[in-house]
Amino acid sequence: GQQVMQIPQYQHVQEGEDFTTYCNSSTTLSNIQWYKQRPGGHPVFLIQLVKSGEVKKQKRLTFQFGEAKKNSSLHITATQTTDVGTYFCAGPIYNQGGKLIFGQGTELSVKP
Amino acid sequence: DSGVTQTPKHLITATGQRVTLRCSPRSGDLSVYWYQQSLDQGLQFLIQYYNGEERAKGNILERFSAQQFPDLHSELNLSSLELGDSALYFCASSGGQGLYEQYFGPGTRLTVT
Repeated sequence: GQQVMQIPQYQHVQEGEDFTTYCNSSTTLSNIQWYKQRPGGHPVFLIQLVKSGEVKKQKRLTFQFGEAKKNSSLHITATQTTDVGTYFCAGPIYNQGGKLIFGQGTELSVKP
Repeated sequence: DSGVTQTPKHLITATGQRVTLRCSPRSGDLSVYWYQQSLDQGLQFLIQYYNGEERAKGNILERFSAQQFPDLHSELNLSSLELGDSALYFCASSGGQGLYEQYFGPGTRLTVT
């Protein structure tokens, strides 16, 4: 079945270092969404990418959607302790309403 | 605050029991989704309702059922509970039934002893 893989599973960085998580789908996606879940919290929607090759920025966060619409990445520049959490990518299952398949997530820890 | 509410926040019950989790979507949202999050399985989609009708189904066990009521709130019923059902259960809502961002509630932590 359709799968969304995310790497790495864990990333530990020193505050100020950059961080990147990668998301790969086994099938072409109509869009990709990114969510952040703080420890003890719930997933919070960050962004949605729809177009092939799309790049969007939110302050220190840069999101990319691959040309083939099968992969995506989230890059954080100069991490801060507030960036701590698990970042999930999610893609819709074709022709199944709003059903999303989530990657396993990348857990980011930031050492001050 | 996402605008999605879930009750209860915590639930502790014994194996074999039945529980009901409740979710109220954001005002105006017609779609409700249920997810199970456990340490080893990540976020697993269970089921989606749109305006009272089931729209999509995931890996939902036969012991689990859900419904969405005319006022759009939803309930997830878990029966014949097993230890492995212990997890966080999230409800999310969105404005449409298709490719829209989802807003998650705070979750219900279920512990089966």
